Amino acid sequence: SQQGEEDPQALSIQEGENATMNCSYKTSINNLQWYRQNSGRGLVHLILIRSNEREKHSGRLRVTLDTSKKSSSLLITASRAADTASYFCATVTNDYKLSFGAGTTVTVRA
Amino acid sequence: DGGITQSPKYLFRKEGQNVTLSCEQNLNHDAMYWYRQDPGQGLRLIYYSQIVNDFQKGDIAEGYSVSREKKESFPLTVTSAQKNPTAFYLCASSLRGNIGNTEAFFGQGTRLTVV
Repeated sequence: SQQGEEDPQALSIQEGENATMNCSYKTSINNLQWYRQNSGRGLVHLILIRSNEREKHSGRLRVTLDTSKKSSSLLITASRAADTASYFCATVTNDYKLSFGAGTTVTVRA
Repeated sequence: DGGITQSPKYLFRKEGQNVTLSCEQNLNHDAMYWYRQDPGQGLRLIYYSQIVNDFQKGDIAEGYSVSREKKESFPLTVTSAQKNPTAFYLCASSLRGNIGNTEAFFGQGTRLTVV
């Protein structure tokens, strides 16, 4: 079974709107990361949040982490058509195991 | 340029054959990973290696084998024991020294098809 589970599985929004996706995980982690994948390509790292951090920002991205609930959220503000992609959360445990969830497919309509 | 390279991009295999997927990185990363991705699905971890000459099974290691003889290279062999090998395979690497900064870099993937 996968460590992380994203919700929703798919999201369709209008350009300019915000997109929020959530990730839940099962075991203790060292850090949690979010990645983006364009169709048929490799993944690109977006942002990393350590287990002792609660919120992090990077440009239009905002990530929160609640270790008591074993959950994280990714917010993309003012979405653009170029944000259309699949987004994955990934957890890193203390043995360097990097595990991914099933992903959220985001479609931004022009 | 620094990066992680997977080859080939497309690979066709006959049933019953073993095939080896290549993954090379020149980022001086210690940790390397292999994932399998099925259509519309997330990434499932096959094997990972923290240092040379050492590797651990991931969540779906059955039917796969790896080696880590050099820091730069982490080839994956898909054996005939893997019942459903058709998938998109992704390799990644990351620094090991400071686990708090373990951003992973991915190759562009190998699409394996059994014919």
